[in-house]
Amino acid sequence: DIVMTQSPASLAVSLGERATINCKSSQSVLFTSNNKNYLGWYQQKPGHPPKLLISWASTRESGVPDRFSGSGSGTDFTLTISSLQAEDVAIYYCQQYYDIPPITFGQGTRVEIK
Amino acid sequence: QVQLVVSGGGVVQPGRSLRLSCEASGFTFSDYGMHWVRQAPGKGLEWVAGIWDDGSNQYYPDSVKGRFTIYRDNFKKTLYLQMNSLRVDDTAVYFCARDQEGGYKRPFDFWGQGTLVTVSS
Repeated sequence: DIVMTQSPASLAVSLGERATINCKSSQSVLFTSNNKNYLGWYQQKPGHPPKLLISWASTRESGVPDRFSGSGSGTDFTLTISSLQAEDVAIYYCQQYYDIPPITFGQGTRVEIK
Repeated sequence: QVQLVVSGGGVVQPGRSLRLSCEASGFTFSDYGMHWVRQAPGKGLEWVAGIWDDGSNQYYPDSVKGRFTIYRDNFKKTLYLQMNSLRVDDTAVYFCARDQEGGYKRPFDFWGQGTLVTVSS
């Protein structure tokens, strides 16, 4: 099974500042035949289901603000919030959908306002 | 608009069974793979079952294999999760989720609101 490890477990960032969340997979999630990384990022606010923000490591979903961006390849990935807004307070999860089953998630990163 | 309405949760004793339902609307249900994902109280996300768009293939993690069964009725536009031999550690909010368009191995682009399953004596 591919293990997804996120860091940090939590972070506090001032409004308008950058937030960076890391995700490392125990094996590569890059499919060389199509050069796609099978890696997604989700945002979950309290009492709500997760919401897909980023697919294929760097493709922002429709309607997601452009302050959210994803980068990385192979085993190391990053979700960046370029200018933190109050509504971005949430838990963020990475997910691999490359080597399945099982589909696996990181343990989550809690983002708060400093 | 896409909607996934989950129902069937509740309190059940260890060893008993429960069936969850996820009713879909706003999209062509039979064109999409579907999944169940759970979240224990205060914990992270755990995928528990997936099924192809036509229902021909189902897949599970080891933690539920042999106890849980995912299936679907494309005419009723409904996804199900039959949970047998429930254990205390199956206590969680259960979400259904849709595969992003395009086939197998996709992220989950829409999620239902979840239903709480509590396994307790």
